[in-house]
Amino acid sequence: QVQLVQSAAEVKKPGASMKVSCKASGYIFTVYYIHWVRQAPGQGLEWMGSIDPNSGGTNYAQKFQARVTMTRDTSISTAYMELSRLRSDDTAVYYCARAKFAFDYWGQGTLVTVSS
Amino acid sequence: DIVMTQSPLSLPVTPGEPASISCRSSQSLLHSNGYTYLEWYLQKPGQSPQVLIYLGSNRASGVPDRFSGSGSGTDFTLKISRVEAEDVGIYYCMQAKQTPFTFGPGTKVDIK
Repeated sequence: QVQLVQSAAEVKKPGASMKVSCKASGYIFTVYYIHWVRQAPGQGLEWMGSIDPNSGGTNYAQKFQARVTMTRDTSISTAYMELSRLRSDDTAVYYCARAKFAFDYWGQGTLVTVSS
Repeated sequence: DIVMTQSPLSLPVTPGEPASISCRSSQSLLHSNGYTYLEWYLQKPGQSPQVLIYLGSNRASGVPDRFSGSGSGTDFTLKISRVEAEDVGIYYCMQAKQTPFTFGPGTKVDIK
């Protein structure tokens, strides 16, 4: 069965960087794009960008362009999302999602708390 | 960016009764390839979102047939023919026609 398993929750200080992993199983990793969506506490969903696991090509929301890097390691079927220069308003649950016809499978979410 | 709006933002429902959520986009979601890139997601309390509808009106695998999506261009509707208690949560529409993909603000559905 298809699964996306994300890394554990993190606490970071302002100005630091975070890196969340998303390990895929149950399908051929390189066939479907991986997208990243975040959700601040009590707020809605915000699309951050995507990566083509086959080519490594990325597409970032302009809002995050200067601070986000999405990568993948096809040998272990894992996608990564790194966000730098963290601020308190980056506190959120970060989700990865597989894109087939839509975001058909989601990870369980990774809570990242940015606090001094 | 395409702006998505939803109404209502809060929807108390009675089990067994129908319910409807409206979603509007600031630009047409009809792509030149003929497909309309509008999706509906449900986020149940404490869970990750799950897809309900894709390409405007196609039910995702495993989604009960009481859920239906309709609409075209900039105006879309999600209908639940008979609400069940398990349908509570926040419903989001999302446009996938162009990046950045954008979500509506969400409609919170709960039981009266």
